[in-house]
Amino acid sequence: AAGVIQSPRHLIKEKRETATLKCYPIPRHDTVYWYQQGPGQDPQFLISFYEKMQSDKGSIPDRFSAQQFSDYHSELNMSSLELGDSALYFCASSLIVRTDTQYFGPGTRLTVL
Amino acid sequence: AQSVTQLDSQVPVFEEAPVELRCNYSSSVSVYLFWYVQYPNQGLQLLLKYLSGSTLVKGINGFEAEFNKSQTSFHLRKPSVHISDTAEYFCAVSFQGGSEKLVFGKGTKLTVNP
Repeated sequence: AAGVIQSPRHLIKEKRETATLKCYPIPRHDTVYWYQQGPGQDPQFLISFYEKMQSDKGSIPDRFSAQQFSDYHSELNMSSLELGDSALYFCASSLIVRTDTQYFGPGTRLTVL
Repeated sequence: AQSVTQLDSQVPVFEEAPVELRCNYSSSVSVYLFWYVQYPNQGLQLLLKYLSGSTLVKGINGFEAEFNKSQTSFHLRKPSVHISDTAEYFCAVSFQGGSEKLVFGKGTKLTVNP
């Protein structure tokens, strides 16, 4: 079965640079969520989208922005990167009518040097 | 505010022994409950979930969990563990009728020794 696809899987950036993470949900899933998992930490909710509209917002820094496109894929844009942004970024998807179950992608590991 | 507490950060056990990973939650509204497993350098895989109905839920890989409303707990159990069960286990909740975002516990590192 098709799963959530995230790209790139690994990304290395310098401080103050910009990064873009991409997420392709499971086919027919209309809702996308982004989570950040710092080293040795639990995943923290950042933001979610349904039908290209932001549906909820968590502890996402103002330096980060995200959007969902007409084909339901989503991008997380991160600017002015800081060392503390180094983390594993997960995308999850679900059907709005079944938001009780989110399916996670493999994550993008971002390292900021 | 809603929160999830996983009481044990690390649980070492021997192969073929039973294991219980504890999870308690705090919420003023009804919740959905989940257990996810994360193998090293991998994503989160859903083990099982409780939405409603029977309080005993069975998941993949021989795991099960029991929802106890009065104790606000959702402990994960397996009667006999394997080396391959070594992983990080996260308990999570989402809130019925509200945001679908998941709130995770801090995780429990299960290490199965031969």
